[in-house]
Amino acid sequence: GDSVTQTEGLVTLTKGLPVMLNCTYQTTYSPFLFWYVQHLNEAPKLLLKSSTDNKRTEHQGFYATLHKSSSSFHLQKSSVQLSDSALYFCASGTGGYKVVFGSGTRLLVSP
Amino acid sequence: EAAVTQSPRNKVAVTGGKVTLSCNQTNNHNNMYWYRQDTGHGLRLIHYSYGAGSTEKGDIPDGYKASRPSQENFSLILELATPSQTSVYFCASGASGTGGPEVFFGKGTRLTVV
Repeated sequence: GDSVTQTEGLVTLTKGLPVMLNCTYQTTYSPFLFWYVQHLNEAPKLLLKSSTDNKRTEHQGFYATLHKSSSSFHLQKSSVQLSDSALYFCASGTGGYKVVFGSGTRLLVSP
Repeated sequence: EAAVTQSPRNKVAVTGGKVTLSCNQTNNHNNMYWYRQDTGHGLRLIHYSYGAGSTEKGDIPDGYKASRPSQENFSLILELATPSQTSVYFCASGASGTGGPEVFFGKGTRLTVV
């Protein structure tokens, strides 16, 4: 079945440093890929999404590029802020109904 | 913005009891989903639906039933609750189509089975 893999459970960084959160996927059909962010005690919210191969997608300083050749959709930011501390989920959907999430990566940013 | 409302927000249930979690969406989305969130496991899909009257099994359906009586409402039913079902449950809705199956989440229900 479809699956999404996030290899890092926890990433800790100092404010101002760059970050990359890894996401790889396995799907039968050409997928949509998403990044969701969940702040403490809140619901997950969409951060960005893409279905276009090799095109960079950006939102709120975060960016990601879907690479179908390597089945990857890594999330990056050039300079993290304290407010970026949250749980980040990568997700995959195939245009139909089923949306599958990865296990999540917790990002902790320190002063 | 998309509106998904879950009730109750918190629930304590006894082992062996029946629990019903309710979800209502006002977005006229075809698709609705139930996920559970546990540390280390992320969001796991329990059941989903692509329209009124339909329910489909997700990745972890055992011990759960779902009901979609209308476009707006989607319930998750635990017939015989067990402590292993203690978790935070999220309902979500989404539309199929060219924009992809982006989902909008409710605020979650914290269920404790004692």
